[in-house]
Amino acid sequence: GDSVTQTEGQVTVSESKSLIINCTYSATSIGYPNLFWYVRYPGEGLQLLLKVITAGQKGSSRGFEATYNKEATSFHLQKASVQESDSAVYYCALRWGFNKLTFGAGTRLAVCP
Amino acid sequence: ETAVFQTPNYHVTQVGNEVSFNCKQTLGHDTMYWYKQDSKKLLKIMFSYNNKQLIVNETVPRRFSPQSSDKAHLNLRIKSVEPEDSAVYLCASSQFRVNSDYTFGSGTRLLVI
Repeated sequence: GDSVTQTEGQVTVSESKSLIINCTYSATSIGYPNLFWYVRYPGEGLQLLLKVITAGQKGSSRGFEATYNKEATSFHLQKASVQESDSAVYYCALRWGFNKLTFGAGTRLAVCP
Repeated sequence: ETAVFQTPNYHVTQVGNEVSFNCKQTLGHDTMYWYKQDSKKLLKIMFSYNNKQLIVNETVPRRFSPQSSDKAHLNLRIKSVEPEDSAVYLCASSQFRVNSDYTFGSGTRLLVI
């Protein structure tokens, strides 16, 4: 079946520094799935951060960006300058049409002041 | 307020007991899901219902059974819980169409002792 692999465990970044969380996927179907980044802030539910439904396009939200690289089957999450409020758990996910979401294992981001 | 509401937030029970979790969405969506997040933080789909009809039933033990009274409600019952059922259970909803976004509840944490 499909699988999503992302940066494992926790990433610690100092405030105002840049961030990259890697995400690659492996899919059993032919074509290009929709790709997503979800975020879970402390004490809150899982929410959509950004998505890209067309291979080759870039999605952005709240200063975060991710580019759908169809050759590398990657969708890395980047931010040029993180803030303490960005501390959360980030999940990469894929979806074919209106089928189920398949998630990565999550990456915890800790931003130090 | 329109959202996905889950109860309870947290539940502790003993091995062999029966538990039931509730999920309600007020977004007017026609599809609802149950996901399980295990101790390794992996999020995996368990069930999906569209207009009260089961459309996804992943390989889960028979002691798990979803219950849908209408398209706004999807409950989860676990008969005779086991230690490995300790996890966070996330409910979500969406419209059954291509590129429809999911909305997640805040989760129910189950601890089996």
